[in-house]
Amino acid sequence: LAKTTQPISMDSYEGQEVNITCSHNNIATNDYITWYQQFPSQGPRFIIQGYKTKVTNEVASLFIPADRKSSTLSLPRVSLSDTAVYYCLVGDNDYKLSFGAGTTVTVRA
Amino acid sequence: GAGVSQTPSNKVTEKGKYVELRCDPISGHTALYWYRQSLGQGPEFLIYFQGTGAADDSGLPNDRFFAVRPEGSVSTLKIQRTERGDSAMYLCASSPGTGGATYQETQYFGPGTRLLVL
Repeated sequence: LAKTTQPISMDSYEGQEVNITCSHNNIATNDYITWYQQFPSQGPRFIIQGYKTKVTNEVASLFIPADRKSSTLSLPRVSLSDTAVYYCLVGDNDYKLSFGAGTTVTVRA
Repeated sequence: GAGVSQTPSNKVTEKGKYVELRCDPISGHTALYWYRQSLGQGPEFLIYFQGTGAADDSGLPNDRFFAVRPEGSVSTLKIQRTERGDSAMYLCASSPGTGGATYQETQYFGPGTRLLVL
């Protein structure tokens, strides 16, 4: 499984855009990049998945450069309810998700 | 539809006791997973079921841990002779289990069972 590195924590304010960059230098050709979100006392929840370029859904955008050695999760106009831990995962058809410690995002009023 | 459910939500037990944690996956999902999450850490894989069989149990920490899924739906994680170090959040997830997919299949997690061993 490709190893990922992401910041331990990030602080933001309501209404701002939050960008979390994940480094995955050893990503394999068939690997996809997936992000999960976890609120306190809940299980993780799928946010977005991509392979290359840009993916956007109703929750977030995922930017992946051509070399795919990193990716950036973008949360537009965050609110207090976006305070959570965000995990970057890399793999292809892996049933064993490898979460790491994730990035704790704290949104303040 | 209903998501993954886990019971109990909290379990307090004494060292040495036996506990069972239950997981009801999303209806129709053939793949089921158990993870364990300690405070401040991400979830760690324990075991993966495809249907009734355990396809990979390499994450189970020792032989005190066992899981079953006899009818291919509900699963039970069993812990014998509990130790204080077993205290953690135990998460269950399920996915459709479509074989041959090239993408990473989304796993749908339950709310977890918080186990405290005194």
